[in-house]
Amino acid sequence: KAGVTQTPRYLIKTRGQQVTLSCSPISGHRSVSWYQQTPGQGLQFLFEYFSETQRNKGNFPGRFSGRQFSNSRSEMNVSTLELGDSALYLCASSPGTGSTSSRETQYFGPGTRLLVL
Amino acid sequence: KQEVTQIPAALSVPEGENLVLNCSFTDSAIYNLQWFRQDPGKGLTSLLLIQSSQREQTSGRLNASLDKSSGRSTLYIAASQPGDSATYLCAVPDLTDSWGKLQFGAGTQVVVTP
Repeated sequence: KAGVTQTPRYLIKTRGQQVTLSCSPISGHRSVSWYQQTPGQGLQFLFEYFSETQRNKGNFPGRFSGRQFSNSRSEMNVSTLELGDSALYLCASSPGTGSTSSRETQYFGPGTRLLVL
Repeated sequence: KQEVTQIPAALSVPEGENLVLNCSFTDSAIYNLQWFRQDPGKGLTSLLLIQSSQREQTSGRLNASLDKSSGRSTLYIAASQPGDSATYLCAVPDLTDSWGKLQFGAGTQVVVTP
């Protein structure tokens, strides 16, 4: 099976712009989670989607949003970019067959490196 | 609130030596614990997931132990190789959130010298 894929791998944007990142989960996986990774804060949870519904959201401002499509592919959007949004954005997928997706093995993609100038 | 700690933050060992990586968590009511590897600028690779009912889990040269009562997990890598150089992270499901959210440690950066 192909692993989790993320596009694009690298992005450079300027402050005030918006960006959309894409994540394709492992075939058959229905849960997709997003994380932001920075040297100072480590890995922080953004949100989780299952069957096109956001089930959980981390402590991030409303500029961060996401969605999931019927084929389980997910996108996240960041509007009005700030310098502090520079980070590695990782998505993870899991089968979503259990009652709690966080208790399943999470499979991560290679990430999208976002640089905001 | 669950806190996950990994000490030391960095470790350097000569090739062939066994690696011992530590992970501590403050609330013992965990469901499982997962170990990941991350190469520089790359995503996370799942190494082992150990359930709360298990004491250890093995995969090749990797062995993870779990002691819930003391709030600790240890990842052992036998006969280290330069290719084992990476950052190793542990994570537990967040107690207050069921959906997707993992609580990560800050990681231990490992360098294996030839």
